[in-house]
Amino acid sequence: AQSVTQLDSQVPVFEEAPVELRCNYSSSVSVYLFWYVQYPNQGLQLLLKYLSGSTLVKGINGFEAEFNKSQTSFHLRKPSVHISDTAEYFCAVIQAWGTNAGKSTFGDGTTLTVKP
Amino acid sequence: DAEITQSPRHKITETGRQVTLACHQTWNHNNMFWYRQDLGHGLRLIHYSYGVHDTNKGEVSDGYSVSRSNTEDLPLTLESAASSQTSVYFCASSRDRANEQFFGPGTRLTVL
Repeated sequence: AQSVTQLDSQVPVFEEAPVELRCNYSSSVSVYLFWYVQYPNQGLQLLLKYLSGSTLVKGINGFEAEFNKSQTSFHLRKPSVHISDTAEYFCAVIQAWGTNAGKSTFGDGTTLTVKP
Repeated sequence: DAEITQSPRHKITETGRQVTLACHQTWNHNNMFWYRQDLGHGLRLIHYSYGVHDTNKGEVSDGYSVSRSNTEDLPLTLESAASSQTSVYFCASSRDRANEQFFGPGTRLTVL
């Protein structure tokens, strides 16, 4: 079984401040990790992903995330946010191999609100 | 450009009616997925398919069915709609099983 916990349901932050959205996961097998963003009344779009290699992953719109295997975390960061970053953010894991390869689990989401 | 579309975008129906939500992708992806999104629950997997004639149950499959007769389409059917199925439904596809998924714009379904 696998699970994803997004530790903050809502994160308010002022424009140009740094932000961190926290994600912990658990799985008995290897997983790949993803962050998606959802703007109001739209579908999800990929921000970044970790499959292998460097544990620091850079994505679109200035976001980055660090995979920490020992702490089973994949926190999302941005050094300076903009009003346009206001959205819902989802952390997700996908089982990497085995009989359930491809099985996806999403966190409950974190609402990032950037205030002027 | 390749894309994934869903129709209708909004649907209101009555309890007990059969409803079918369409999902069509032009990426030629083998893998397709249906999720529902409810406040406080994130996205929950309903059904998924890894190829033509392949279908699998997700974590919340009761009351839903899918069929895959071609690569491009994975329609989701609610056999007898219930108020608990009021939700936003997202279709997604992926090239590889264990890789990023591309999402459609969603269908907002209300069951009265």
